Amino acid sequence: NAGVTQTPKFQVLKTGQSMTLQCAQDMNHEYMSWYRQDPGMGLRLIHYSVGAGITDQGEVPNGYNVSRSTTEDFPLRLLSAAPSQTSVYFCASSYSFTSGGYNEQFFGPGTRLTVL
Amino acid sequence: GIQVEQSPPDLILQEGANSTLRCNFSDSVNNLQWFHQNPWGQLINLFYIPSGTKQNGRLSATTVATERYSLLYISSSQTTDSGVYFCAVVGRGSTLGRLYFGRGTQLTVWP
Repeated sequence: NAGVTQTPKFQVLKTGQSMTLQCAQDMNHEYMSWYRQDPGMGLRLIHYSVGAGITDQGEVPNGYNVSRSTTEDFPLRLLSAAPSQTSVYFCASSYSFTSGGYNEQFFGPGTRLTVL
Repeated sequence: GIQVEQSPPDLILQEGANSTLRCNFSDSVNNLQWFHQNPWGQLINLFYIPSGTKQNGRLSATTVATERYSLLYISSSQTTDSGVYFCAVVGRGSTLGRLYFGRGTQLTVWP
């Protein structure tokens, strides 16, 4: 298993540009999520999905869109990049929390994004 | 949301020393994980431990859910143990699966 993969590893954008961060997992996990990590702020939840076709907002959703057309993929779209979105972005996945079972979360390697 | 506090914030050790990292949380949880963020920024799963004790090589962890804390023990530390250690929890009854992270313990191990 490749686990959770993210592309690209690094990206530099200009203010106003749009882009999509890719996330994929091959563990058949229903639950996927996006976090951003900023110095002094820890990791904060942006959006999450409990299955294909179902997404919802997390703590800091403004400026980001998500969709979940397949179980495997959960892309994060920046609509109009702003310097405040400079951060490290992590994707995570696990089995569904509604099952009440073992639901250890696994993180991808991260995407380091700089917005100029 | 759940408050997660980690201590100490910084820890400097010489190779071979032992250490204990602590994680306190403010409410009941159904998921507690310890992560190591290495110098390259990757979050490595160490333990999934909502209760009880687990060991993996030189690392072990104990969670006392009734008292709302968890401990991570590192024995015979090595320079490769350097990095930030995070504790993260999911609240009991949560169907959303959101992990609340502590601010981490920055560990530096010198040769």
